[in-house]
Amino acid sequence: KAGVTQTPRYLIKTRGQQVTLSCSPISGHRSVSWYQQTPGQGLQFLFEYFSETQRNKGNFPGRFSGRQFSNSRSEMNVSTLELGDSALYLCASSLAASGGSTDTQYFGPGTRLTVL
Amino acid sequence: AQSVTQLGSHVSVSEGALVLLRCNYSSSVPPYLFWYVQYPNQGLQLLLKYTSAATLVKGINGFEAEFKKSETSFHLTKPSAHMSDAAEYFCAVTAVAAGNKLTFGGGTRVLVKP
Repeated sequence: KAGVTQTPRYLIKTRGQQVTLSCSPISGHRSVSWYQQTPGQGLQFLFEYFSETQRNKGNFPGRFSGRQFSNSRSEMNVSTLELGDSALYLCASSLAASGGSTDTQYFGPGTRLTVL
Repeated sequence: AQSVTQLGSHVSVSEGALVLLRCNYSSSVPPYLFWYVQYPNQGLQLLLKYTSAATLVKGINGFEAEFKKSETSFHLTKPSAHMSDAAEYFCAVTAVAAGNKLTFGGGTRVLVKP
């Protein structure tokens, strides 16, 4: 079974621009979560989508948004990019067969975003 | 709220020696605990998971971890380090009440000396 895939793998943007990152979960997985990884703040939870609905949200400004499609693929968008948004953005999927929160999350390789 | 503390941001071990990575958690509800490994320029790979079924959890690549409620710890060990174990290791916690949100520790980077 194919793993979690994320596109693009690398991205360079300038301040003020917006960016969209894509995540395709493992086949059959219904939950997709997004995390930001930076050297200073470590791994931080952005949000989770389940059945096309945002089910949980971390402590990030409204510039960070996401959505999930009917095939469980997810996108996240960052508007008005700031230098501090430079990070590795990781997507994780889980089966969530019962909608439970303890299903193992499987991570993709990440998208490395650099904001200049 | 939940939190995770990993003692030691860097650990250096000799090849063949014991690997011990420390993780302490804080959770007001029964926790579910994970160890992930991250190799350079890659995502996170699950090593093992504690879900209350057994306190000693065996994972991949010879790693295991023991859940100790009294010490709020979930330390990761491997009896004999291999060069391929050089990576960054993350401990994470979640709970039913937390939704599908993982809270991570700061990570421990392992260097293996030949």
